[in-house]
Amino acid sequence: DIQMTQSPSTLSASVGDRVTITCRASQSIGDWLAWYQQKPGKAPKVLIYKASSLESGVPSRFSGSGSGTEFTLIISSLQPDDFATYYCQHYNTYLYTFGQGTKLEIK
Amino acid sequence: EVQLVQSGAEVKKPGESLKISCKGSGYSFSTHWLGWVRQMPGKGLEWMGIIYPADSDARYSPSFQGQVTISADKSISTAYLQWSSLKASDTAMYYCARPVNAFTYGYIFYWGQGTLVTVSS
Repeated sequence: DIQMTQSPSTLSASVGDRVTITCRASQSIGDWLAWYQQKPGKAPKVLIYKASSLESGVPSRFSGSGSGTEFTLIISSLQPDDFATYYCQHYNTYLYTFGQGTKLEIK
Repeated sequence: EVQLVQSGAEVKKPGESLKISCKGSGYSFSTHWLGWVRQMPGKGLEWMGIIYPADSDARYSPSFQGQVTISADKSISTAYLQWSSLKASDTAMYYCARPVNAFTYGYIFYWGQGTLVTVSS
């Protein structure tokens, strides 16, 4: 089974910072990767699909890149609304594996 | 408008059985895979399994195979997640989740509101 590993697990940052979250797959997954944002008590929301495609309505400060086994989510200038937990997910398979999550906290 | 509406919170004792539901509307229920996700308190998202309602083809993550049963009744556009004997470790929020497109394992776009299951003696 494919494992997805995110780093860091926790990230402290300030409004206006540029942040990078990494997701590594245990084997090549092409570009079948999505990124989700989850706020406390809410269902996740998709930000990026196919590794680098921005979901409609998602602010352009979010971007994704990568293919194969290494992927990144970049938030170019953190806004107060961005403090949340972020998950990567491999799809295009019935297993839909999630990374363990990255909690983005206010510094 | 696509909606996934889940059944309400449950409080159960260890050893009891439980079936929670997720009703889809606003789309062709039969032709979209529908999955279940577990989130234990303070923890991350875990993919449990998925079902294709048209033929009830259910597929499970290895961690959940044999622990739960996923089913669907296409006549009432409802999917189910079932336990035969609950454990305290089943305490979690459970989400149903639908891929963006029909027929395929696309990325998840639609989510239910979640069902909180609490198992305590």
